[in-house]
Amino acid sequence: EAQVTQNPRYLITVTGKKLTVTCSQNMNHEYMSWYRQDPGLGLRQIYYSMNVEVTDKGDVPEGYKVSRKEKRNFPLILESPSPNQTSLYFCASSFWVGAAEKTEAFFGQGTRLTVV
Amino acid sequence: DAKTTQPTSMDCAEGRAANLPCNHSTISGNEYVYWYRQIHSQGPQYIIHGLKNNETNEMASLIITEDRKSSTLILPHATLRDTAVYYCIVRDLSGNTGKLIFGQGTTLQVKP
Repeated sequence: EAQVTQNPRYLITVTGKKLTVTCSQNMNHEYMSWYRQDPGLGLRQIYYSMNVEVTDKGDVPEGYKVSRKEKRNFPLILESPSPNQTSLYFCASSFWVGAAEKTEAFFGQGTRLTVV
Repeated sequence: DAKTTQPTSMDCAEGRAANLPCNHSTISGNEYVYWYRQIHSQGPQYIIHGLKNNETNEMASLIITEDRKSSTLILPHATLRDTAVYYCIVRDLSGNTGKLIFGQGTTLQVKP
């Protein structure tokens, strides 16, 4: 089954304790990205990757890091989490936009992060 | 990418067609119209997309006006499980970063 898998689904952590949210896709997609969703602000892109070893900042990258060492994985790293990073996080993947008929994005089920 | 305008909320009776409108009056010739939905706090789910012709798949139909300034997503026989927030997104696929710009969407409530 084609899917994007995020782990963990729920996480409560303390300020300053480094954490990693994993994201894996099994569709051989080139493009992967991370979004956060907050009430009243909608979904906003954090980082994206067009392919292995190619990453770039989205709209709200401060406080986050990513890596893309393999095509299927795109972990989101919070080196020193703060309470304002409490949010619902989604990973997404798709084929690159060159072929219009295959550009739909697949989203993971989300990670609800609470930083206290 | 062009901005979209959607009603904040809509109701629909179970079994009836749900017609969700979207205005995108500043859309340019290279921009596609995409629809996604988000059920509760799950990950957004792709529904359909199109450029200028009407499109249909197993989930829905997309009707785009001839001037492309607006579109309508049609769920032909809405069920309770179609209750969700529906997002209309306009994307230019040429040289695009791949980012999806989600607005506030339309909250569709399907009622028994």
